[in-house]
Amino acid sequence: DQQVKQNSPSLSVQEGRISILNCDYTNSMFDYFLWYKKYPAEGPTFLISISSIKDKNEDGRFTVFLNKSAKHLSLHIVPSQPGDSAVYFCAAAGTMEYGNKLVFGAGTILRVKS
Amino acid sequence: KAGVTQTPRYLIKTRGQQVTLSCSPISGHRSVSWYQQTPGQGLQFLFEYFSETQRNKGNFPGRFSGRQFSNSRSEMNVSTLELGDSALYLCASSLGVGYYEQYFGPGTRLTVT
Repeated sequence: DQQVKQNSPSLSVQEGRISILNCDYTNSMFDYFLWYKKYPAEGPTFLISISSIKDKNEDGRFTVFLNKSAKHLSLHIVPSQPGDSAVYFCAAAGTMEYGNKLVFGAGTILRVKS
Repeated sequence: KAGVTQTPRYLIKTRGQQVTLSCSPISGHRSVSWYQQTPGQGLQFLFEYFSETQRNKGNFPGRFSGRQFSNSRSEMNVSTLELGDSALYLCASSLGVGYYEQYFGPGTRLTVT
């Protein structure tokens, strides 16, 4: 049972434009969400996170939006740069049962064209 | 501050053998988690350690085990290796319980032949 879903396997965006990556979750007990970026042959790099008590968090070019009622979050990258080309993973955490365990989506490959 | 380090980076083993992977967390981080990444299953949680105690375990067979030392360094062991154990094994550290932001090491690429 996939509790965190990233339904778009890939996304292609022109340099300078906005990239929007989406993520859905099914477990309403999740209360913390994170985005990671991963290059081949490297470990995931933490980008940005959001607690369920917020609906938006910004860090430079990265903004994460959370819609709890829809169990949906998105990552906006503005403006997109060629160096942003990577695989982006959405992850969810929370509840005592899970401890610090992160549940990951399958990832979305972002290609930023120059 | 140094990041999470994992050794070795690459490993080739034969079916039936066992393997031990090592992880050193970021200085000051006391929680260590392990994940397996494969093309078919994505990133799957293996286990989490805090203060030398396993706090949580993923849905993996008992051949997968781990431990944490008093300096927060961690090891994971896979016994009786199977071809399907070929994967990238990632270690991540965080400050402690309830600190969900985890920082990953570069991983150990295990190939089982």
